[in-house]
Amino acid sequence: AQSVTQPDIHITVSEGASLELRCNYSYGATPYLFWYVQSPGQGLQLLLKYFSGDTLVQGIKGFEAEFKRSQSSFNLRKPSVHWSDAAEYFCAVGGTSGGSYIPTFGRGTSLIVHP
Amino acid sequence: EAGVTQFPSHSVIEKGQTVTLRCDPISGHDNLYWYRRVMGKEIKFLLHFVKESKQDESGMPNNRFLAERTGGTYSTLKVQPAELEDSGVYFCASSRGLADTQYFGPGTRLTVL
Repeated sequence: AQSVTQPDIHITVSEGASLELRCNYSYGATPYLFWYVQSPGQGLQLLLKYFSGDTLVQGIKGFEAEFKRSQSSFNLRKPSVHWSDAAEYFCAVGGTSGGSYIPTFGRGTSLIVHP
Repeated sequence: EAGVTQFPSHSVIEKGQTVTLRCDPISGHDNLYWYRRVMGKEIKFLLHFVKESKQDESGMPNNRFLAERTGGTYSTLKVQPAELEDSGVYFCASSRGLADTQYFGPGTRLTVL
């Protein structure tokens, strides 16, 4: 069965500092991988996704993630965090159901940004 | 383009009562999904509609949960009778095609007392 582990429940960084959120997955085949963000009062927004090809994926809002098959990881990074990045971040691995990608989510990492 | 909307945003009910959650997908999106997040745990898939048909309902926890999508537009998720363990945030998402990006609504926070 597929699963996702986000080992950090909370991460605190200073504004302007770099960020890396960890994600490890378990999946029997080549995974489809996603990062979502949920800001307070908002729905989940897709930051980026990996289906195949280049293992370094660029997303919205200046985020990127790198797929490392040998480590079963898909860590999310941002070189300089802004206060508006404070939110909850979810990593997900996608299986398919009738052709649709149904993500299996991790428990989420809450990002706190200090001024 | 309006996003996915969900109503209500919050619902507090007593054990044994009935609650109906509503989701309005993005116009033109044939695919509609329901997910649930119990506090502190993962977001879990409940079911998937293609238009008005249930494509996959493997995540529905039990027969107290009934989802409908009459006419292939909005969807409702009814919990009857509600139990304490049903508390959580219920998310709806929609996509145009099967493999297209899913757009999520803000969720309905359900509290069962």
